[in-house]
Amino acid sequence: KQEVTQIPAALSVPEGENLVLNCSFTDSAIYNLQWFRQDPGKGLTSLLLIQSSQREQTSGRLNASLDKSSGRSTLYIAASQPGDSATYLCAVRDRNNAGNMLTFGGGTRLMVKP
Amino acid sequence: GAGVSQSPRYKVAKRGQDVALRCDPISGHVSLFWYQQALGQGPEFLTYFQNEAQLDKSGLPSDRFFAERPEGSVSTLKIQRTQQEDSAVYLCASSSREGGAGYGYTFGSGTRLTVV
Repeated sequence: KQEVTQIPAALSVPEGENLVLNCSFTDSAIYNLQWFRQDPGKGLTSLLLIQSSQREQTSGRLNASLDKSSGRSTLYIAASQPGDSATYLCAVRDRNNAGNMLTFGGGTRLMVKP
Repeated sequence: GAGVSQSPRYKVAKRGQDVALRCDPISGHVSLFWYQQALGQGPEFLTYFQNEAQLDKSGLPSDRFFAERPEGSVSTLKIQRTQQEDSAVYLCASSSREGGAGYGYTFGSGTRLTVV
C-alpha cells in the first residue's frame, strides 16, 4: 500500500527566505505527483502536477522536482511571502491501484512571518 | 456553477444521528470523488463516481457510509449512526476527465462534521 510522508510537518520562516518542502512515497510505480495548497477552512488548490516521465515543473516562484526512483519530490518556494502561509500537500496517483484516487501526505503547515 | 459547492459548510451531529452531505460538482464534470480529512492530516480517499456509476468505494470505512450520484451530477454522502471518529472535514472533488487524477481536480471547500 502506497504511503506518502511529508517533512517537516510545520515550518515557520521570515519573509523573503527560499524554502524547500519534502515529500516521499514508498511505491515508485506512479502515474504522477501533485502539490496542493490548502488554506484554513478551504478546499485544495492544485499548484503543480508532475507526470512520471517528468523531472520538474515550474510555476512562478514555485518549482517542484520528482525523483521517481528514490521516491522523493521537493517543492521549492522562492522569496517567500506572508501570503504563502498555508498547508502544502503532496499526493501521488499509483499505477498499481485500479482506481483513480490520490494518496496524500499529511501536509506541511507553512507560516511566513512579515 | 463556477466551482464545486458543498453543503452544509458545518454540521454538528449527536452520536447516533444520521447525516447527509451534499456535493454539487462543476456542471458537466464526469468524475466525482469524496475524501475524508481528519484534523491535521491529509485527505483520505473514500469513493469515486464516473457519471452515475460508483466505480470505487474501497475507501469507505464501514457500512455506515453510503454515497450516491443518481443522475450523474449532484452527489450525497450519507453517514448512518454517526460516531465520534467520524468527525472530520469531508471534501468533494470533480474533474472533467474520466479518472480525474492527472488531469486536474477542482475541490470544494468541504463540510466540517463534528459528532458530539
